Amino acid sequence: AQSVTQPDIHITVSEGASLELRCNYSYGATPYLFWYVQSPGQGLQLLLKYFSGDTLVQGIKGFEAEFKRSQSSFNLRKPSVHWSDAAEYFCAVGARAAGNKLTFGGGTRVLVKP
Amino acid sequence: DTGVSQNPRHKITKRGQNVTFRCDPISEHNRLYWYRQTLGQGPEFLTYFQNEAQLEKSRLLSDRFSAERPKGSFSTLEIQRTEQGDSAMYLCASSQQGLETQYFGPGTRLLVL
Repeated sequence: AQSVTQPDIHITVSEGASLELRCNYSYGATPYLFWYVQSPGQGLQLLLKYFSGDTLVQGIKGFEAEFKRSQSSFNLRKPSVHWSDAAEYFCAVGARAAGNKLTFGGGTRVLVKP
Repeated sequence: DTGVSQNPRHKITKRGQNVTFRCDPISEHNRLYWYRQTLGQGPEFLTYFQNEAQLEKSRLLSDRFSAERPKGSFSTLEIQRTEQGDSAMYLCASSQQGLETQYFGPGTRLLVL
């Protein structure tokens, strides 16, 4: 069965500082990996995805993520955080064999200090 | 491309009542997914359709829940005899088979009193 762990429930970062959100997954085959962002009371917006190929993927809003198969990780990074990045971030794993249904982590809430 | 839409956005009901939610996917997408998200948690898969066929249902989907996608376009999710534990955000997503990326709607927030 697929599973996703986001070890950090909350992260507080100063505006302009760098941000890294951790994601570890468990899946028997090569997964599809996603990061979504959710503002309060809203749906999920796709930030980036990894299917295959280059393990460093670029997304929207200046985010990037790196797939490390040996560590079963897919960490999200941003070099310089803006106040508008305050939100909840979800890592998800999907697999074609499972109808591409997504399994989500518990989320990391990011607070941005001025 | 107008995105995934869901109606209503909010629903307050009394325990024991039935509620129905609607999801309109992106027009060319043949797959449609329903998820449930409780406060402070990540979304959990409920069910998905490929065209009009319901291909998988989670064990979370008790017999009080039913989902349909009669013409392979919009979908409805009905909850009968609602319970307080059904209070959650219900999210719909759609994708095109073979392209694997799911796009989410804004969700329907249900509160059962």
